[in-house]
Amino acid sequence: QSALTQPASVSGSPGQSITISCTGTSNDVGGYNYISWYQQHPDKVPKLIIYDISDRPSGISNRFSGSKSGNTASLTISGLQAEDEAEYYCYSYTGSRTGVFGTGTKVTVL
Amino acid sequence: QVQLVESGGGVVQPGGSLRVSCAASGFSFRSYGAHWVRQAPGKGLEWVSFIRYDGSEKYYSDSVKGRFAISRDNSKNILYLQMNSLRVEDTAVYYCVKDRSFGTPRAFDIWGQGTMVTVS
Repeated sequence: QSALTQPASVSGSPGQSITISCTGTSNDVGGYNYISWYQQHPDKVPKLIIYDISDRPSGISNRFSGSKSGNTASLTISGLQAEDEAEYYCYSYTGSRTGVFGTGTKVTVL
Repeated sequence: QVQLVESGGGVVQPGGSLRVSCAASGFSFRSYGAHWVRQAPGKGLEWVSFIRYDGSEKYYSDSVKGRFAISRDNSKNILYLQMNSLRVEDTAVYYCVKDRSFGTPRAFDIWGQGTMVTVS
């Protein structure tokens, strides 16, 4: 159950688009559609922003989008805003009937 | 108002035991799977355990298997995590989390505020 691999940090200017990758194996990301993404601001509770690879919960901005190719899932934030500065985590169900989170990515808005 | 409220955290010595609880309200608790997720100070999220809506199946991470036990009381809308043989590395905020589905660890849509467990 090794954590999924995410870049430690990603940055962008307001209005730009950024993409965060989440790399696993065929036993987790590559094998299932139960991929989700979470946003966590400092000292706050994580918040679901994408589930089932690319679906958004009610109330989540369409600036957030998800995709998957092979063993890598991606989260794209378009029209970057100051409020998007946070830590982002991916999650995948695994073939071992367990779940695994990514290592986390700190997004900085320049 | 949909809400999950954890309780029972505290300080415990290595090798000790602790049970944390989570009271659910504002939704049909018995219809959804539920998880415990933890976060060590300054670290990332770690999935700990999942229980199906009816308690019929339970899954654990390798790091806690054999030491922790998840359970639920649907008549009281409460989720539990019994933690035994605690280690220093179990120190973390423990979040109670509702799943979007009833039977598979799919996605975490409602989170509690967390309860701090310190093993020292």
